[in-house]
Amino acid sequence: AQKVTQAQTEISVVEKEDVTLDCVYETRDTTYYLFWYKQPPSGELVFLIRRNSFDEQNEISGRYSWNFQKSTSSFNFTITASQVVDSAVYFCALSSNYNNNDMRFGAGTRLTVKP
Amino acid sequence: DSGVTQTPKHLITATGQRVTLRCSPRSGDLSVYWYQQSLDQGLQFLIQYYNGEERAKGNILERFSAQQFPDLHSELNLSSLELGDSALYFCASSASGTRGNEQFFGPGTRLTVL
Repeated sequence: AQKVTQAQTEISVVEKEDVTLDCVYETRDTTYYLFWYKQPPSGELVFLIRRNSFDEQNEISGRYSWNFQKSTSSFNFTITASQVVDSAVYFCALSSNYNNNDMRFGAGTRLTVKP
Repeated sequence: DSGVTQTPKHLITATGQRVTLRCSPRSGDLSVYWYQQSLDQGLQFLIQYYNGEERAKGNILERFSAQQFPDLHSELNLSSLELGDSALYFCASSASGTRGNEQFFGPGTRLTVL
């Protein structure tokens, strides 16, 4: 089965707190790609990161970091020192050969950062 | 700005009607994807075109159809509209049609069916 689970429906933090958004995936493929997208209140979907299944190196981009662990089928996203502008819905997505180019999205996690 | 454009931004219509949503991909991108985002179904892949040809199909209803033109813009046609078709429709584009390419999304078209 192809599935992405974001168990956290909503998270609320106070500015400057660190926050981790969880993503667990299921796939039968050995080659697959994982993505994170941000959907701010304005509605557009903004690409954040792509990871392929052979690259388990963690990645850091400014205040954002991603932890990919194949052993637990997880691709978690951490925002350090959160800011009000980080408030958005964040989606994790999976693309694999099992379903051609179908990108399967998780249900999303709504993050609210309060001042 | 992702470089993907979608028109119109908002569309309000009645049940039973037919509408066309338009998408222009980023310059140089050959692949176009359509997604539907609704409260109950989340973000769902509908269909993909690559260089004018259908490449992959997702949960697209038979009442819906799409095409990609020689200039690479794409249109999604929704007919016999029902209340449940009210949703945000996104178009995305990628450089090629292969899996793993990051997809860049347009601003979406919000469809309201009354």
